[in-house]
Amino acid sequence: DQQVKQNSPSLSVQEGRISILNCDYTNSMFDYFLWYKKYPAEGPTFLISISSIKDKNEDGRFTVFLNKSAKHLSLHIVPSQPGDSAVYFCAASALANSKLTFGKGITLSVRP
Amino acid sequence: DTGVSQDPRHKITKRGQNVTFRCDPISEHNRLYWYRQTLGQGPEFLTYFQNEAQLEKSRLLSDRFSAERPKGSFSTLEIQRTEQGDSAMYLCASSHDAEAFFGQGTRLTVV
Repeated sequence: DQQVKQNSPSLSVQEGRISILNCDYTNSMFDYFLWYKKYPAEGPTFLISISSIKDKNEDGRFTVFLNKSAKHLSLHIVPSQPGDSAVYFCAASALANSKLTFGKGITLSVRP
Repeated sequence: DTGVSQDPRHKITKRGQNVTFRCDPISEHNRLYWYRQTLGQGPEFLTYFQNEAQLEKSRLLSDRFSAERPKGSFSTLEIQRTEQGDSAMYLCASSHDAEAFFGQGTRLTVV
């Protein structure tokens, strides 16, 4: 039972354009959400997070939006750069500082 | 502190052998997690420690798996009588607040 779903396995965007990565969850107990970026043969790298008391969090080129009623969050990357090409994982936890439940990831390719 | 460190990076073992992995967390982090990742999947939670106490174990963690965190510092994950299905990337993470920081992982191949 996938509690965190990333339904699109891949996304390709042009350099300079916006990348929008989507994530859905089913467990209403989740109240903290994170995005990680992963290169091959490396561990995931933390990108940005959002608490359920917020609907938006921004950090430089990265913005995460949370729609609690829809149980949906998205990561926006603007402008996209070729170095952003990687696998992006959405993760959720029922409490901050507790175990994470991950989606399957989405492979982002940014074309020069 | 350079982050979470895992050793070894790669391990190839014969089926039936025992293997042990080590994780050194970020020094001020009191929580330490082990995850497993297989091809095409996201990391799956195995177990976590707060200081030296093991607080939760996943049903994925069979009796052949054991983890320790003596003195609340580094942690070890041992797999006994390895099986081909144990082949995966084993990831360690540590946290102090809400964000967990991962090591580079140990790639286990059971042949």
